[in-house]
Amino acid sequence: DAKTTQPPSMDCAEGRAANLPCNHSTISGNEYVYWYRQIHSQGPQYIIHGLKNNETNEMASLIITEDRKSSTLILPHATLRDTAVYYCIVRVADSSNTGKLIFGQGTTLQVKP
Amino acid sequence: DGGITQSPKYLFRKEGQNVTLSCEQNLNHDAMYWYRQDPGQGLRLIYYSQIVNDFQKGDIAEGYSVSREKKESFPLTVTSAQKNPTAFYLCASSITGVNQPQHFGDGTRLSIL
Repeated sequence: DAKTTQPPSMDCAEGRAANLPCNHSTISGNEYVYWYRQIHSQGPQYIIHGLKNNETNEMASLIITEDRKSSTLILPHATLRDTAVYYCIVRVADSSNTGKLIFGQGTTLQVKP
Repeated sequence: DGGITQSPKYLFRKEGQNVTLSCEQNLNHDAMYWYRQDPGQGLRLIYYSQIVNDFQKGDIAEGYSVSREKKESFPLTVTSAQKNPTAFYLCASSITGVNQPQHFGDGTRLSIL
């Protein structure tokens, strides 16, 4: 399984961009990078995923380095409601085709007024 | 609105009792999953199903059972054989395929009386 490394916590000012880094140096060529977030006592919320090209949707942008060993999730204009634990996940492409997600410790993002 | 509904939100179990957690989705997804989350930890896969009338054990299936009689429903039973059932239980669903994002319900918190 490819492992991910994220900083345990980050702060961001409301209205500013939040840039959350993730290292996944052992990622395989066919493994996607996923980002989820979890607000306390709720289920994880899917944000975005990508393979090697940068991706953007209504929630965020995902920037993946050319060597695919790291990525950055960008929330362009953080609000107080973006305060959550953010998980960077490399999807297990195992032979059983489980598709299971392996969540690490994540980054706790605190958006401050 | 399409989504995943888990019920109840809170559940209490007495010693020696089996309890069943409900998971219903109206997203027309073929694949469904059950995860367990312990405080401060990531998710661990209990069971998953990629099609009606078929399901597979995940990493921590002992003490749990599931059924998949309908596409929309994937109930999880926590049996008395599960000696440490106190946890936050999360149900997810996705379009079949390793690289399809999973979408989660809001979870059921199970505690022992």
